[in-house]
Amino acid sequence: AQSVAQPEDQVNVAEGNPLTVKCTYSVSGNPYLFWYVQYPNRGLQFLLKYITGDNLVKGSYGFEAEFNKSQTSFHLKKPSALVSDSALYFCAVRPFSGSARQLTFGSGTQLTVLP
Amino acid sequence: GAGVSQSPSNKVTEKGKDVELRCDPISGHTALYWYRQSLGQGLEFLIYFQGNSAPDKSGLPSDRFSAERTGGSVSTLTIQRTQQEDSAVYLCASSESGGDNEQFFGPGTRLTVL
Repeated sequence: AQSVAQPEDQVNVAEGNPLTVKCTYSVSGNPYLFWYVQYPNRGLQFLLKYITGDNLVKGSYGFEAEFNKSQTSFHLKKPSALVSDSALYFCAVRPFSGSARQLTFGSGTQLTVLP
Repeated sequence: GAGVSQSPSNKVTEKGKDVELRCDPISGHTALYWYRQSLGQGLEFLIYFQGNSAPDKSGLPSDRFSAERTGGSVSTLTIQRTQQEDSAVYLCASSESGGDNEQFFGPGTRLTVL
């Protein structure tokens, strides 16, 4: 069975500084990896995904994530944080092969960007 | 185009009553998913539909939970004899066929069981 760990419940960063939200995963075989963002009282919005190919994936709103197979990590990054980036971020995984289609989510990381 | 829609947005019910939650996926999306988001459990998978069939019901927490999908489109999640522990936000998502496609989520239905 697959699992996702987001070791930080809360990340605080000053506006303009780079941000990192950490994610590690466990899955049999190769993974599909996703990042979603959730604003208050809203559903999840897709940010980016890793399927195959380049380890650095670029997504919406200037976010990017780096797939590291040896460390089984998929950390979310942004070079310069905005106050409007403050939200709840979820990492998710599903196996590359097999019949399972559902995503397994991490517990979420609350990002607060301070002005 | 229109995204995934869910209704009602909020539902308050009494313990023991049945509730129905509705999901309208993005047009043309063949895959549909139900998840549950609660404070103690995070985001949990409930059920997955491909077309009208449900090849994976493994996440349904008990036999009080059921779901159906008709016409390859609208889906209804039914909870019978609701319990307080059923209180959560129920999220629906849809995607194009294919495991590498991202899922698009609706705004959710907040269910409160008194």
